[in-house]
Amino acid sequence: QVKLQESGPGLVKPSQTLSLTCTVSGGSITSGGYYWSWIRQHPGKGLEWIGYIFYTGSTYYNPSLKSRLTISVGMSKNQFSLKLSSVTDADTAVYFCARWSPTTEASWGQGTLVAVSS
Amino acid sequence: EIVLTQSPATLSLSPGERATLSCRASQAVNSPYLVWYQQKPGQAPRLLIYGSFRRATGIPDRFSGSGSGTDFTLTISRLEPEDFAVYYCQQCGSSAWTFGQGTRVEIQ
Repeated sequence: QVKLQESGPGLVKPSQTLSLTCTVSGGSITSGGYYWSWIRQHPGKGLEWIGYIFYTGSTYYNPSLKSRLTISVGMSKNQFSLKLSSVTDADTAVYFCARWSPTTEASWGQGTLVAVSS
Repeated sequence: EIVLTQSPATLSLSPGERATLSCRASQAVNSPYLVWYQQKPGQAPRLLIYGSFRRATGIPDRFSGSGSGTDFTLTISRLEPEDFAVYYCQQCGSSAWTFGQGTRVEIQ
């Protein structure tokens, strides 16, 4: 059973880059057919899709974040990462990583809270 | 971008009652790409339904998904106390994935 775990700083200063890593256990990111995605949830609000990286390495980003966003596979094949530059307090949220495919059940991490504050 | 509109925003019901939640898309969504989640405070979303109607592992059969095209429905046949939560639909059928804004099912 695949498990995902987010990690990274819980506090980022305004204008800096938010960096998070998702560590995958029980499966390989390079195994076929899966989309490895990031989602966030602002405090008390709904879910917002951030973007994904397909197992081939292709990416697609939320247009509203695209200019500041990079999703990539980490040094370890069992990690993928998110980098969001020039953050403001509007980027304060719980960030989730998830695995999805059209034919199997999605799996999510537990989420990590990132606050943007000086 | 496909916009998902969930209705109602809030559903006030009593345990034992039937809940019907709607998710309407601004463009057609292929059925394999429609997902439903349940979320409780402080928790990650829990997968309920994938592929529009397939129940995820461990999900009780009182939860069912249906629909096609632009109209999808999540039905909870008889509400249990643990079912009071927020429910989200998500589409992964276009390049830009989107979520509905959620339906809160609260105890009347």
